Amino acid sequence: GAVVSQHPSWVICKSGTSVKIECRSLDFQATTMFWYRQFPKQSLMLMATSNEGSKATYEQGVEKDKFLINHASLTLSTLTVTSAHPEDSSFYICSAEGGGLLNQPQHFGDGTRLSIL
Amino acid sequence: GENVEQHPSTLSVQEGDSAVIKCTYSDSASNYFPWYKQELGKRPQLIIDIRSNVGEKKDQRIAVTLNKTAKHFSLHITETQPEDSAVYFCAATRPSSASKIIFGSGTRLSIRP
Repeated sequence: GAVVSQHPSWVICKSGTSVKIECRSLDFQATTMFWYRQFPKQSLMLMATSNEGSKATYEQGVEKDKFLINHASLTLSTLTVTSAHPEDSSFYICSAEGGGLLNQPQHFGDGTRLSIL
Repeated sequence: GENVEQHPSTLSVQEGDSAVIKCTYSDSASNYFPWYKQELGKRPQLIIDIRSNVGEKKDQRIAVTLNKTAKHFSLHITETQPEDSAVYFCAATRPSSASKIIFGSGTRLSIRP
């Protein structure tokens, strides 16, 4: 149980393109989802916290107009990287809180590797 | 703000030897301390965790210790094997919903054959 599906797993696109990443909790309702970004050889850095039906809370230094987050249902959150540029290339990972299983506060998706040319 | 420091950043041990990774945290309200193993290009996988009401926890070759007074916690891997090679992250979080996980900077563990 407690499976989080993230799609796509990788994407390559041209500079200026907007890219949408989906994060779904498959077998539990996730009231809160988190979006992380991980640059090569670095740690996971929280970008924003997403609550179903309300606006996301962004971490300091993360542009909310560039990284649009929508959490319209208890099983789906989306992250849209608008007008992506090469410096946005990174590994984006979502996690979902809920399910109450195994005392894990968050369950992670498989990540999306974004490469902007 | 909350901070988790992790050492060392890289660690190389002979197969069969033990590996120890140490972390400190700044938020005294933190009460849950998970450890994650991440292989290249993959999601972080929870390998062991400890809550603040416990000083030590063991699961086969992996153990974690917590000193809440000193705000230190450590990961111990015994009888290391090649498949233990990965990046390990410690983390800390508070006891509430929608609680952020604060990750350490990571330790790249290499097991020498």
